[in-house]
Amino acid sequence: SQQGEEDPQALSIQEGENATMNCSYKTSINNLQWYRQNSGRGLVHLILIRSNEREKHSGRLRVTLDTSKKSSSLLITASRAADTASYFCAGRSSGNTPLVFGKGTRLSVIA
Amino acid sequence: GAGVSQSPSNKVTEKGKDVELRCDPISGHTALYWYRQSLGQGLEFLIYFQGNSAPDKSGLPSDRFSAERTGGSVSTLTIQRTQQEDSAVYLCASSPGWGGGADTQYFGPGTRLTVL
Repeated sequence: SQQGEEDPQALSIQEGENATMNCSYKTSINNLQWYRQNSGRGLVHLILIRSNEREKHSGRLRVTLDTSKKSSSLLITASRAADTASYFCAGRSSGNTPLVFGKGTRLSVIA
Repeated sequence: GAGVSQSPSNKVTEKGKDVELRCDPISGHTALYWYRQSLGQGLEFLIYFQGNSAPDKSGLPSDRFSAERTGGSVSTLTIQRTQQEDSAVYLCASSPGWGGGADTQYFGPGTRLTVL
């Protein structure tokens, strides 16, 4: 079963614009993470936000978490062509359970 | 330092044959995951090893799939009597542990399996 579900499924923007991707999840989580995948192969961890945090920043990335709505958003500011990739959210329920990924958002940044 | 490695990078096999996919996690990482990703799709969780605990096999799609993790390090995913629907990229990830920051997963480059 999938813990997270990203929205939109695909997003196309111009270079320099901001990109916002949303993630909704089903059960209570211990933490929520965002990953990026280029070229359909290995994923790279971007940022982790804990259940007691509401917002976190890392460079051009800003992640928010609303546990009452079971949702998270990833904002990429001043996007670049190199940001073109698929972005996945992943959540772990409390306890010794596996991290479960959503289906991802495909972001295309057009130069 | 060395990341997660997987071998082979590509595997082409005939329907009905068995295949073994290997994952070498980052040294010292206690958690190891296997995922499957079909073209343009998300990650499908297969199996999860955490330390000496019994593995979580809840994601394995059928009894043709099995995985081992020897000595708490290297893992092998075995698919018996492969079917065409098994064609996908198989991704392995390891993490220092679980919970909080130890949850961050480090992914290997994947093995692309093609069943003819």
